[in-house]
Amino acid sequence: AQSVSQHNHHVILSEAASLELGCNYSYGGTVNLFWYVQYPGQHLQLLLKYFSGDPLVKGIKGFEAEFIKSKFSFNLRKPSVQWSDTAEYFCAVNAPGGSYIPTFGRGTSLIVHP
Amino acid sequence: EAGVTQSPTHLIKTRGQQVTLRCSPISGHTSVYWYQQALGLGLQFLLWYDEGEERNRGNFPPRFSGRQFPNYSSELNVNALELEDSALYLCASSLVAGGQETQYFGPGTRLLVL
Repeated sequence: AQSVSQHNHHVILSEAASLELGCNYSYGGTVNLFWYVQYPGQHLQLLLKYFSGDPLVKGIKGFEAEFIKSKFSFNLRKPSVQWSDTAEYFCAVNAPGGSYIPTFGRGTSLIVHP
Repeated sequence: EAGVTQSPTHLIKTRGQQVTLRCSPISGHTSVYWYQQALGLGLQFLLWYDEGEERNRGNFPPRFSGRQFPNYSSELNVNALELEDSALYLCASSLVAGGQETQYFGPGTRLLVL
């Protein structure tokens, strides 16, 4: 069974700071990887996803993530955060060709103050 | 295109009662997933329905059950409610295409058990 670990539970940044949220997974086979975001009072939205190909994936709102297979990692990055990026961020992984049931990390709460 | 919808948005119940939550998937999506998001625990997989059949269930007791209708909408039923059932219940729908699947989430139903 796969598992997902998000090391940073709470992150507090100032506007314009750079962001990197860690995500590591444990699964020996091929994986699909996702980052979701949950803004205050809103539902979970897909930020970006990786299925195959270029390991550097660009998503919405200036976010990107890099899949490093050797490190079982899929870290989320943004060069300059804004106050509106304050949200909960979830990393998820599923195994294609299997049950497709994704496993989610516990989430990282990001607070960006002006 | 309409997204995933869920009803009701909020519910307050007392211990021992029963509750039914509803979900309508994105048009054309045949799979519906249910998750429980309790405070600080991330998303825990509950149930997966596809083409009207239950395909998989997570590590939850049998008092959590559901069904999927011919129009692919779904219900989640929870019997004999317990205090720890208080959580946000999320529904997601998806369409598998070539081994690649992305889940899209609804706004959730927040259940409070007193």
